[in-house]
Amino acid sequence: AQSVTQPDIHITVSEGASLELRCNYSYGATPYLFWYVQSPGQGLQLLLKYFSGDTLVQGIKGFEAEFKRSQSSFNLRKPSVHWSDAAEYFCAVAPTGGFKTIFGAGTRLFVKA
Amino acid sequence: GAVVSQHPSWVICKSGTSVKIECRSLDFQATTMFWYRQFPKQSLMLMATSNEGSKATYEQGVEKDKFLINHASLTLSTLTVTSAHPEDSSFYICSAHLVRGKDEQFFGPGTRLTVL
Repeated sequence: AQSVTQPDIHITVSEGASLELRCNYSYGATPYLFWYVQSPGQGLQLLLKYFSGDTLVQGIKGFEAEFKRSQSSFNLRKPSVHWSDAAEYFCAVAPTGGFKTIFGAGTRLFVKA
Repeated sequence: GAVVSQHPSWVICKSGTSVKIECRSLDFQATTMFWYRQFPKQSLMLMATSNEGSKATYEQGVEKDKFLINHASLTLSTLTVTSAHPEDSSFYICSAHLVRGKDEQFFGPGTRLTVL
């Protein structure tokens, strides 16, 4: 069955420190991969997506993610976290037809001063 | 471009009443829309796939008669929560599927439903 695992329920980092959020997926083939961010009470904002090609994907707000096929991973990174990055982050996968996106459980990011 | 809106953004209703939530693709046509439900501090769970002009496809465990979905046009899908109860209180998010070179989904801002 298709699934997305975000092993970390929550992560706390200091402002200015680097960040890596983990995501592993289980899928029959290489799916489309996404990272979304959700602020409290808000909808989803797409940070970045991977469809094919270069395995290092650049997104908005200084985020990037690397697709590693051998590890079935799509980890999200940011070199220097800002307090405004505190939010819930969701990794998601969709079949190459783009339908029925499956979301991970989410990782809540806390940023301390 | 590719904006999806939802209306209302929040709604409070009494138990036993029905509530309709609209999802609109503002600047593109979407033959397929999706409805998700999100409980507090949890992930999004796909409820159903809404196809224009045909019946929605519901995920396992989702009551069709409870959550009525209508996709009457290429820019509008509605979710009606019938005879709502407090356990239906949740954050409902829709998305619209756009084929533009690559398949993409665009999410609405969500609707907060509180049933008293």
